[in-house]
Amino acid sequence: ILNVEQSPQSLHVQEGDSTNFTCSFPSSNFYALHWYRWETAKSPEALFVMTLNGDEKKKGRISATLNTKEGYSYLYIKGSQPEDSATYLCAWDNYGQNFVFGPGTRLSVLP
Amino acid sequence: SQTIHQWPATLVQPVGSPLSLECTVEGTSNPNLYWYRQAAGRGLQLLFYSVGIGQISSEVPQNLSASRPQDRQFILSSKKLLLSDSGFYLCAWSVGTGGTEAFFGQGTRLTVV
Repeated sequence: ILNVEQSPQSLHVQEGDSTNFTCSFPSSNFYALHWYRWETAKSPEALFVMTLNGDEKKKGRISATLNTKEGYSYLYIKGSQPEDSATYLCAWDNYGQNFVFGPGTRLSVLP
Repeated sequence: SQTIHQWPATLVQPVGSPLSLECTVEGTSNPNLYWYRQAAGRGLQLLFYSVGIGQISSEVPQNLSASRPQDRQFILSSKKLLLSDSGFYLCAWSVGTGGTEAFFGQGTRLTVV
């Protein structure tokens, strides 16, 4: 059974702080890793799809890195804002047949 | 542009009653379709995925079934609901054989009483 883990489970930061969280996944048979942001009462929204070892992607204040050899990815948020409050999910991509999701990191940004 | 519709948004059903949740996708052809469930305090668990009409794969044994009667229609069903079927159900689609993002519906909150 494939296991995707995320830490921490939840996180509270002050507005303006930078933060990061981790996704770990099996390093064998890697194809792609996804990051999603899931705001309350909305659908999960794709942030990044990462495929190459050493990949770094950025969207505004959010960026992510990927290490496929050791099986982890970091998501960074610079200068957190209250609107960044959401659950951040990573998902291991099994060639499109399945996305194995981690349990998520719930981020709360306090004004 | 592509859109995904999932309904109903909320549902309260008694134990033993049947279930039918519907998901349709517009603006794309031959999508991969998925049903996920989020149980309380847990991540998203894949229930079913489909790569084409009539092709359904199940990831976990359960009280639920899925059907894909048309290319862009995916239905989640149960003949008799259990209390443990309560949860938040999400339909999603993607294209290709991996490496592309999945797009999610708005979800259905199912409460079995």
